[in-house]
Amino acid sequence: DAGVTQSPTHLIKTRGQQVTLRCSPKSGHDTVSWYQQALGQGPQFIFQYYEEEERQRGNFPDRFSGHQFPNYSSELNVNALLLGDSALYLCASSWDTYSYEQYFGPGTRLTVT
Amino acid sequence: EDKVVQSPLSLVVHEGDTVTLNCSYEVTNFRSLLWYKQEKKAPTFLFMLTSSGIEKKSGRLSSILDKKELFSILNITATQTGDSAVYLCAVVPSWAGNNRKLIWGLGTSLAVNP
Repeated sequence: DAGVTQSPTHLIKTRGQQVTLRCSPKSGHDTVSWYQQALGQGPQFIFQYYEEEERQRGNFPDRFSGHQFPNYSSELNVNALLLGDSALYLCASSWDTYSYEQYFGPGTRLTVT
Repeated sequence: EDKVVQSPLSLVVHEGDTVTLNCSYEVTNFRSLLWYKQEKKAPTFLFMLTSSGIEKKSGRLSSILDKKELFSILNITATQTGDSAVYLCAVVPSWAGNNRKLIWGLGTSLAVNP
């Protein structure tokens, strides 16, 4: 049973560029959350998708957007990249909207130069 | 403002030692507290605590919640080098509806030396 997968594992972009990160949830899970984790910090909630809709959002600007597909996989898009966007981006899935037990993917390390 | 504070921030022990990690919180309408272990990248779920005084146990790890004093502890007995990781604590406020807005601590970085 595959767990949560994310791609790519590492990414280097320059300021102003756009990036798309991908996540496939654990089998049987339908809810996907995205987090940004800076070095030495706890994960910061970006947003969550369920039934292909953004259900709730953290304190992130509109440059951060996402999408969920019918197969429950999800994308995180970041436009007009800033140096401060450099972080580990984690995707987490759960099996229903009331589950607090999240399973995290390995993350994508984004470096903005 | 809701917050979760973990202590210590870092800890170095020798194999075989017992460690206690602390997580205190100030959160409006507390619902649950979660512990995760983060090695390299992905946090791994350890425990979810909702009721006071009920110990959750998994092998050498155990955790308990005190809703009166607003804290939880995570104990690791007979530590091994494989326990080296960052241990994260997160609180679920009841207004969150589900796991959408966990409030995370900064973590405790544990290093277990052979």
